[in-house]
Amino acid sequence: NAGVTQTPKFRVLKTGQSMTLLCAQDMNHEYMYWYRQDPGMGLRLIHYSVGEGTTAKGEVPDGYNVSRLKKQNFLLGLESAAPSQTSVYFCASSYSRGWRGETQYFGPGTRLLVL
Amino acid sequence: GQQVMQIPQYQHVQEGEDFTTYCNSSTTLSNIQWYKQRPGGHPVFLIQLVKSGEVKKQKRLTFQFGEAKKNSSLHITATQTTDVGTYFCAGPAYHTDKLIFGTGTRLQVFP
Repeated sequence: NAGVTQTPKFRVLKTGQSMTLLCAQDMNHEYMYWYRQDPGMGLRLIHYSVGEGTTAKGEVPDGYNVSRLKKQNFLLGLESAAPSQTSVYFCASSYSRGWRGETQYFGPGTRLLVL
Repeated sequence: GQQVMQIPQYQHVQEGEDFTTYCNSSTTLSNIQWYKQRPGGHPVFLIQLVKSGEVKKQKRLTFQFGEAKKNSSLHITATQTTDVGTYFCAGPAYHTDKLIFGTGTRLQVFP
């Protein structure tokens, strides 16, 4: 049982390049989330999904797109990377709705540097 | 929009001293969760509080949920170097699918 895994662990991009971050969970969770973490800013929600085939915007969605084609996978795409997207990206999953107090399980993170 | 703030932002203590971080929400919370993130690691769930005025303990850690369900605190008694990390509170707005994370308190413990 691997929990939540993220690929890649670290990536360097040039401005304007694109990339996709992959998140996978083996806990059969319905809910998946993408956060970014910047120094002094805590965790900010980018996009989330409440089930296969559904996605929704979070707090800071601009410049990112997501897809949830399979229940266990949640992809985060950067179409044209900008230096402001330099951050640590965390994926998380939970069994049920946030307002019910379901624990979120986090992946190890992806460190992205945009030059 | 809903905001969750934590104070202090940083805290440096000598090993053996106590530590407290406070979490304040701009709106009433149905529940509150606490997470710990070790340096270079990812957030890990510690505990959840649901009832007004609830107090829960985990060894040297004491968690409290305010009577109005708008604030919470985490108190660590006799800190150890293993307590080093950033502590986040998180709460959902009513009937949403999202958790709003606090800004975090980074704890450094000097031996």
